[in-house]
Amino acid sequence: GAVVSQHPSWVICKSGTSVKIECRSLDFQATTMFWYRQFPKQSLMLMATSNEGSKATYEQGVEKDKFLINHASLTLSTLTVTSAHPEDSSFYICSAGGGDQPQHFGDGTRLSIL
Amino acid sequence: AQKITQTQPGMFVQEKEAVTLDCTYDTSDPSYGLFWYKQPSSGEMIFLIYQGSYDQQNATEGRYSLNFQKARKSANLVISASQLGDSAMYFCAMSSDNFNKFYFGSGTKLNVKP
Repeated sequence: GAVVSQHPSWVICKSGTSVKIECRSLDFQATTMFWYRQFPKQSLMLMATSNEGSKATYEQGVEKDKFLINHASLTLSTLTVTSAHPEDSSFYICSAGGGDQPQHFGDGTRLSIL
Repeated sequence: AQKITQTQPGMFVQEKEAVTLDCTYDTSDPSYGLFWYKQPSSGEMIFLIYQGSYDQQNATEGRYSLNFQKARKSANLVISASQLGDSAMYFCAMSSDNFNKFYFGSGTKLNVKP
């Protein structure tokens, strides 16, 4: 079964809306989680490293004020796309693991901004 | 900085034949991991195979094998006896940060013909 749960799997919303995506590790604790973004027919690009109890580390070119990451517990990281616009439409996917756990990916969230 | 290159945007293979998907990488880290993932149209990332930089033998997992040539910095995936269900995007990835943070290649779309 899934070891990383991502919710929702599909979101359609109006421009200007803020959207929250959850990534949960099941049956294990994850001090670090990762968020990736994938445009159609392109590769996964690492956006940021989510650190439990501290600020996320963003990759170069990723707007931290646009993509808010909160890692409030050892099993949950959230990515909030603030004031989303059509260019933010993409496939977002998280991963968790580390230590004695290999990296597991969530099933992803398809975000469509109208 | 890490760099992963997949030079084959698309590949066709006849069912039951073997196919090799190319992957080259560049890193200055002494220790790293190489991974292959399969992504069907539904979007989830399916782990296929892993090769550690210090592993002496090439990794194998069922019909998947990784042709690791460290001096050439290549980590090609070989799929034997292709099946129709193997049609998907395939991504090569590398990680050196305690094998947590991944950098992906651009992917190869494999089509298996009946």
